[in-house]
Amino acid sequence: AQSVTQLDSQVPVFEEAPVELRCNYSSSVSVYLFWYVQYPNQGLQLLLKYLSGSTLVKGINGFEAEFNKSQTSFHLRKPSVHISDTAEYFCAVSEGNTNAGKSTFGDGTTLTVKP
Amino acid sequence: AAGVIQSPRHLIKEKRETATLKCYPIPRHDTVYWYQQGPGQDPQFLISFYEKMQSDKGSIPDRFSAQQFSDYHSELNMSSLELGDSALYFCASSLDLHTGELFFGEGSRLTVL
Repeated sequence: AQSVTQLDSQVPVFEEAPVELRCNYSSSVSVYLFWYVQYPNQGLQLLLKYLSGSTLVKGINGFEAEFNKSQTSFHLRKPSVHISDTAEYFCAVSEGNTNAGKSTFGDGTTLTVKP
Repeated sequence: AAGVIQSPRHLIKEKRETATLKCYPIPRHDTVYWYQQGPGQDPQFLISFYEKMQSDKGSIPDRFSAQQFSDYHSELNMSSLELGDSALYFCASSLDLHTGELFFGEGSRLTVL
């Protein structure tokens, strides 16, 4: 069984400041890791994913994340946020290969970017 | 580009009624997933299909059933609806079982009164 813990339920930040959304996971097998963004009343959109290879993953909208196997973490970062980044962010893990889309999601982090 | 289409977008039902949600995946995607997202909660995996066969099952109540048809669209049938079934139901499609990249529809919001 796998689980995901998003360490911050809410992250307020000022525009143009850097941000880090933290995610830790647990699994007994090798995993695929994902970050999704959800705007109000919309579906989830994939920001980035880690399947294998380079541990630093770059995604859309200037976001990046680093896979750290020893710390079982996959933190999301952006060097300078915009008002439009205000949304709910979900970290997700799946047991890669068998059914990679069967994901376990974290509880979400609400990112609020203030002017 | 074509996206995942879900219908209806909104649905209001009474307790003990039946509801059917439909999902049309992105063309050439043969894998479909259903997720349930309660108010203020994270999405929970319900069931998935690959090549018209059920590939995996999650926390789906026995009152719910689903299938994937020959044109790859999928339907989620929910019977004996309960108040707790009120949620956003997402369908997502993927190229196959192994890529892991899900493309989500905008969801069907079910309200049970």
